[in-house]
Amino acid sequence: EPEVTQTPSHQVTQMGQEVILRCVPISNHLYFYWYRQILGQKVEFLVSFYNNEISEKSEIFDDQFSVERPDGSNFTLKIRSTKLEDSAMYFCASSEQYKDTQYFGPGTRLTVL
Amino acid sequence: DAKTTQPPSMDCAEGRAANLPCNHSTISGNEYVYWYRQIHSQGPQYIIHGLKNNETNEMASLIITEDRKSSTLILPHATLRDTAVYYCIVRVKGYNQGGKLIFGQGTELSVKP
Repeated sequence: EPEVTQTPSHQVTQMGQEVILRCVPISNHLYFYWYRQILGQKVEFLVSFYNNEISEKSEIFDDQFSVERPDGSNFTLKIRSTKLEDSAMYFCASSEQYKDTQYFGPGTRLTVL
Repeated sequence: DAKTTQPPSMDCAEGRAANLPCNHSTISGNEYVYWYRQIHSQGPQYIIHGLKNNETNEMASLIITEDRKSSTLILPHATLRDTAVYYCIVRVKGYNQGGKLIFGQGTELSVKP
């Protein structure tokens, strides 16, 4: 069964450093999403992406965040200057056109020291 | 999207049916009820969704009341692997919108031997 994959599974970085989280959505999906979950808190929407542009973003998704689909298979989330409060699980999801079910990857645990 | 209310936690004996309730009294006519679950910080997993008719798939059944103000997710024969946080989400189903999912706190289901 096709699935969303994410790399790395765990990323440790120093405050102020840039990180790139990578996702490979399901191959025929056209909508892509990033969510995050701070330890012990709710899953929060960050951004959705369709047709090579952002379709919606939350208040969390400020100028330090960016997303990109650099090729036909990868979808990335870049955090330019990480802060301690960016420590969280980051989940990528994708959905098919004309079907609204989102399929999530296993997540990347980001730890900012 | 309409607000949902779920009990914070429930227990269920292994092999028995788990019935997880959700209240969504402000649901509007074009909003669907979606259920996802999250097993121990893994990525959320889609279970089922419906508009007004009861739905069943290989994972679960969804019973929506006639007034659509509440619903129940039924896991017919719960196993230990069904221990997870279950989220009831109400949203408009957008075939071309790629809309975000708004997660609440969910119900933490513990399946006990």
